[in-house]
Amino acid sequence: DAGVTQSPTHLIKTRGQQVTLRCSPKSGHDTVSWYQQALGQGPQFIFQYYEEEERQRGNFPDRFSGHQFPNYSSELNVNALLLGDSALYLCASSFGLAVRDGETQYFGPGTRLLVL
Amino acid sequence: GNSVTQMEGPVTLSEEAFLTINCTYTATGYPSLFWYVQYPGEGLQLLLKATKADDKGSNKGFEATYRKETTSFHLEKGSVQVSDSAVYFCALTDSSYKLIFGSGTRLLVRP
Repeated sequence: DAGVTQSPTHLIKTRGQQVTLRCSPKSGHDTVSWYQQALGQGPQFIFQYYEEEERQRGNFPDRFSGHQFPNYSSELNVNALLLGDSALYLCASSFGLAVRDGETQYFGPGTRLLVL
Repeated sequence: GNSVTQMEGPVTLSEEAFLTINCTYTATGYPSLFWYVQYPGEGLQLLLKATKADDKGSNKGFEATYRKETTSFHLEKGSVQVSDSAVYFCALTDSSYKLIFGSGTRLLVRP
C-alpha cells in the first residue's frame, strides 16, 4: 500500500519564478492538505482540497494556489517566488474532512524548495 | 486564535533516561490533540493522539494524556533509545479541518 508521495524531492528556483509541486494521496484517501515548514519551525497550514474544491485556507497570499484532480492527486502552485518561500512543503492526505474527530492525516516526505 | 506552545529544545538525554516534552494549547471548544515525530530527512509521522479530555494516547512506549483543566498534552517515555532522536511536534485540530502545530522540540539521545 503506497503512502503519500510527493515530487520533486528538491527544487531550486530564482526569485520571480513560478513552481508546481505534486502530491499523490495514500490509497483510499480523498482529502489533501498542504503545509509549509520553514527551517526550525512547525508546519503552517496552506489549504485543503476535498472533492476538487478548496475547502479551507490558511493565512497565505493568493500567490499560493492549488488544484485537485479526479483521482484525488493535487498540485500546489506558487507564483512570483520570494526568498521567504524557501521551505519544506508537506502534503498530507486523509479520508473525508473529519480531522477534528481525530481522523489521522498522513504526511508525505515533502518537497524542499530553495529560492535564490 | 488557537495555538500550541512547546518547550524549546534541544533536549539531550542519555539512553534509558526518562523523557518529558511539555505541550500546552489554547483553543476554543474541544480540540483533538496529536503528537507527530519527524526523523531526519523525512516527513511527519503520527505518534499518538487523543480526541477528548482525560484520554491517554500511547504508541511505541510514548504516552500523553489530554488534560483539559491545565490545557496540556505532555509527551512522556519511560526509557528513551538512541533511535528516538528526532523532532517532536505537538498539534491540535479545532472546529476547522486543519492541524495547528507547535514549533517542535528536538530530542537527542546519546548512547
